[in-house]
Amino acid sequence: GAVVSQHPSWVICKSGTSVKIECRSLDFQATTMFWYRQFPKQSLMLMATSNEGSKATYEQGVEKDKFLINHASLTLSTLTVTSAHPEDSSFYICSARNPEEAAQETQYFGPGTRLLVL
Amino acid sequence: GDSVTQMEGPVTLSEEAFLTINCTYTATGYPSLFWYVQYPGEGLQLLLKATKADDKGSNKGFEATYRKETTSFHLEKGSVQVSDSAVYFCALVRGNQGGKLIFGQGTELSVKP
Repeated sequence: GAVVSQHPSWVICKSGTSVKIECRSLDFQATTMFWYRQFPKQSLMLMATSNEGSKATYEQGVEKDKFLINHASLTLSTLTVTSAHPEDSSFYICSARNPEEAAQETQYFGPGTRLLVL
Repeated sequence: GDSVTQMEGPVTLSEEAFLTINCTYTATGYPSLFWYVQYPGEGLQLLLKATKADDKGSNKGFEATYRKETTSFHLEKGSVQVSDSAVYFCALVRGNQGGKLIFGQGTELSVKP
């Protein structure tokens, strides 16, 4: 149980286009999902917390108009990188908590999406 | 603020060697502690966790003990395999922080046959 998927696993796009990344919880309903960004050989940087049915909470320094997050259902959150530029190239990882777990602290991570903007 | 510090990598070991990856943390209260593993090109997988002092988390031969007196959560394995080659992340979460994970910088482990 507690499987999280992401789609696509990798994407190459031209500068100026927008890219949508999907994060799904496959066997549980997730009221909260998290979006991270990871640069090569570095740790994960939390970008935002995605809450089902409400606006996402962005971390300091993350442009909410650049990285649009929609959590329209209990099993799906999407991250849209708008007007992507080469500096947006990165590995994007989502995670979700299972509210049915007593502690609700463990995050289950998706496999990641590698974005390359040309 | 809360933080996690891991030993720097890369760590290179021969197969069947003993592994220790040090992790220390700074946090108020009683955080839960985690070890996640990231295989090349993949997302993170939960390896083990401990939620209170003196708890020992264990999985797949790995173990770590929550030491509040030394604010540590060192990862150990008695005999590593080539398949253990990955990046290991220590992390903490405080219950009143909305479940936000705070990660260490990661330690790359390379196991040679």
